[in-house]
Amino acid sequence: DAGVIQSPRHEVTEMGQEVTLRCKPISGHDYLFWYRQTMMRGLELLIYFNNNVPIDDSGMPEDRFSAKMPNASFSTLKIQPSEPRDSAVYFCASTGTAYGYTFGSGTRLTVV
Amino acid sequence: GENVEQHPSTLSVQEGDSAVIKCTYSDSASNYFPWYKQELGKGPQLIIDIRSNVGEKKDQRIAVTLNKTAKHFSLHITETQPEDSAVYFCAASQDAGKSTFGDGTTLTVKP
Repeated sequence: DAGVIQSPRHEVTEMGQEVTLRCKPISGHDYLFWYRQTMMRGLELLIYFNNNVPIDDSGMPEDRFSAKMPNASFSTLKIQPSEPRDSAVYFCASTGTAYGYTFGSGTRLTVV
Repeated sequence: GENVEQHPSTLSVQEGDSAVIKCTYSDSASNYFPWYKQELGKGPQLIIDIRSNVGEKKDQRIAVTLNKTAKHFSLHITETQPEDSAVYFCAASQDAGKSTFGDGTTLTVKP
């Protein structure tokens, strides 16, 4: 099993540009989570899905952030327009009946 | 909602010593308590977990204890090694789904 796969690993973009982060969860896992990690705020849950349906998006900071899960094997997190304060490491994680999360390697986003 | 507090935020030990990290939770309905280790530049990795019907679980040099009455659980690492240096997170959840994470403990093991 290749684990949770995130792309890209690093993204540098200019303020105002659209950014799309991608995630492929582990096959058979029915929960998918998007987290943001910064030194100041630690691990923040942005949104999570169960069986491709968004369950809780209360952590999404503002309307500039959106997430989709069109099928069980793919999810995207989009920021439009991006701002310097969005700079962080974004993690995707998935879990199934075993409950424990499997995290991806993360996407380090830098907005200049 | 659930609130998880983790202490200490930083911990420094000599190689070979033991390390203990403690967490408390607020929701008595929580029944699953995982621990994650995050190394530099990587995502958190599940290292051990415990469910509310068990008081203690051990896996080689790491062990976790749970006190449901007091709503706290702890991670114990014995015979620490430099490769144990990392950030450790505790979490709590009810069954599958959303976990609430602690703020993390940065463990440094000095050779």
